[in-house]
Amino acid sequence: DAKTTQPNSMESNEEEPVHLPCNHSTISGTDYIHWYRQLPSQGPEYVIHGLTSNVNNRMASLAIAEDRKSSTLILHRATLRDAAVYYCILRTGGGADGLTFGKGTHLIIQP
Amino acid sequence: EPEVTQTPSHQVTQMGQEVILRCVPISNHLYFYWYRQILGQKVEFLVSFYNNEISEKSEIFDDQFSVERPDGSNFTLKIRSTKLEDSAMYFCASSKLAGSSHEQFFGPGTRLTVL
Repeated sequence: DAKTTQPNSMESNEEEPVHLPCNHSTISGTDYIHWYRQLPSQGPEYVIHGLTSNVNNRMASLAIAEDRKSSTLILHRATLRDAAVYYCILRTGGGADGLTFGKGTHLIIQP
Repeated sequence: EPEVTQTPSHQVTQMGQEVILRCVPISNHLYFYWYRQILGQKVEFLVSFYNNEISEKSEIFDDQFSVERPDGSNFTLKIRSTKLEDSAMYFCASSKLAGSSHEQFFGPGTRLTVL
């Protein structure tokens, strides 16, 4: 999987929007952009993924730059439960390869 | 909502002993995975499994590891002779289909402590 770069940590206030950035300047045309998160003492949890167009689901939105070299995960109204490590992962290919987790962004939510 | 389950939640074993970690993937999923996370470190891929065969494996997944789907619901990871450095959280995951456009669903993990 191609490399991604994320800030080590970010802080936000409860009930405010959070924008988590990810740079992936070496992305290829067939790479999907996936986001997972890991709450404290839990397994990773799928959040959202996309290829070219912006995506929305019940958990979050994914904004993908036009050149696809960066993306932003948007939590529209953060709660204390959203405090977690967020991982931006590029996936390519059709096989059953594993996810390559980096260090992710540690999101801290202040009440 | 269907979920991946894992047992036990915590396993303590002596160095050199065999352990079997168990997972029940989501029922209509076809692809199964094991990952591990040593305390304070990244989540690392170990192996993927499809149609009763290993599909992919990492360098970590050496001869002391094996996986099996002994029946229609369980998926197991066996460590033959545990070492101190095998102490970690082990996560099972499953996906309906494979490939870059499909998400994986993770279980809560088994904490393995090797003494």
